[in-house]
Amino acid sequence: DTEVTQTPKHLVMGMTNKKSLKCEQHMGHRAMYWYKQKAKKPPELMFVYSYEKLSINESVPSRFSPECPNSSLLNLHLHALQPEDSALYLCASSQVGAGIIKTQYFGPGTRLLVL
Amino acid sequence: GQSLEQPSEVTAVEGAIVQINCTYQTSGFYGLSWYQQHDGGAPTFLSYNGLDGLEETGRFSSFLSRSDSYGYLLLQELQMKDSASYFCAVPQNQGGKLIFGQGTELSVKP
Repeated sequence: DTEVTQTPKHLVMGMTNKKSLKCEQHMGHRAMYWYKQKAKKPPELMFVYSYEKLSINESVPSRFSPECPNSSLLNLHLHALQPEDSALYLCASSQVGAGIIKTQYFGPGTRLLVL
Repeated sequence: GQSLEQPSEVTAVEGAIVQINCTYQTSGFYGLSWYQQHDGGAPTFLSYNGLDGLEETGRFSSFLSRSDSYGYLLLQELQMKDSASYFCAVPQNQGGKLIFGQGTELSVKP
């Protein structure tokens, strides 16, 4: 199984709503990532979890709150978002090793619209 | 800082060969990766070059010259399904962080 799954595929939320994005992988990967991607732009890293611990936070606003309940699951909790947060949110996973991580496996993303 | 430059758009015809270039400026270099992303889809890993030279995977090849801070992705026998965005990316020596170029949108015409 080389698949990363994400739910929901699409999400529309108001600025006062609270919602969560979910990501799951069963490849035994111990690193998981959240990216944000705007149209016609590259993915931008938001968070990295390594062995279920947050290892990188790219100065993401606190209205985005990541959570890694176990080695297969990654959540992104959303609260009080702004319209400019509308984007494709991608989850990825990879092995963790002593060397450079050469390959990340991406999920299909959640397309988020904030009204 | 880190920067990667690649052309924003490339157009080619079915059956042709196309080369997508990527030049980079990075503080520390740990290899060059390429990802493909179809419209509305997930980025998919294509190749990684850690050392100079050519890596071949089927119709796709990737090349790296570390002395020139340059690499390219070569797509042969183009098919309509190759129409997608292609991103070069450099892994960082920092917990899996990946820096992407701005992407090249490839359009394959009949």
